[in-house]
Amino acid sequence: EDQVTQSPEALRLQEGESSSLNCSYTVSGLRGLFWYRQDPGKGPEFLFTLYSAGEEKEKERLKATLTKKESFLHITAPKPEDSATYLCAVQAGGKLIFGQGTELSVKP
Amino acid sequence: DAMVIQNPRYQVTQFGKPVTLSCSQTLNHNVMYWYQQKSSQAPKLLFHYYDKDFNNEADTPDNFQSRRPNTSFCFLDIRSPGLGDAAMYLCATSGGTYTDTQYFGPGTRLTVL
Repeated sequence: EDQVTQSPEALRLQEGESSSLNCSYTVSGLRGLFWYRQDPGKGPEFLFTLYSAGEEKEKERLKATLTKKESFLHITAPKPEDSATYLCAVQAGGKLIFGQGTELSVKP
Repeated sequence: DAMVIQNPRYQVTQFGKPVTLSCSQTLNHNVMYWYQQKSSQAPKLLFHYYDKDFNNEADTPDNFQSRRPNTSFCFLDIRSPGLGDAAMYLCATSGGTYTDTQYFGPGTRLTVL
């Protein structure tokens, strides 16, 4: 069964304290892994797409990496405005399968 | 800017009273999706249109229906809303293939009284 698991469920950081979010997946025939940011009461905002193991993408303080079994979203020197829920999803069987998300809180 | 627009942003309805949510897109994407997201849960796919072809998820209740009159617009109809249908409803679009990135609208928060 295709499955996506994100950890931790919640993460509290101090401003400037770097960390990583994990997304583990089991899927037959990965056709893309996606990271989204979701603010409370809003729709998910697209961040990155990764297609093959070894691929990396960066945007400001965020960097996404992909292996054959998992993806990491590294956050370097986070700021309070990075606080949000981060969703990971894999493309399988013609649809996105989402993880439950990691709720990130960055305190000043 | 090209985008996905949902109206209304907030919708309040009464138990059993039909409601329609709308989605429009300026991205000229072939595929449009409707998701349901309940509090602290992942988005759950209800159905999608690939161009004019409708694809229903097996576990989507019959109470939920959709229409896509043209490329730009898609509607979600809830025929007889129950208390359990209160949720955020998200519309998303993607280009010509299923591997393309999905872009989401801001969502419609549905409250059922």
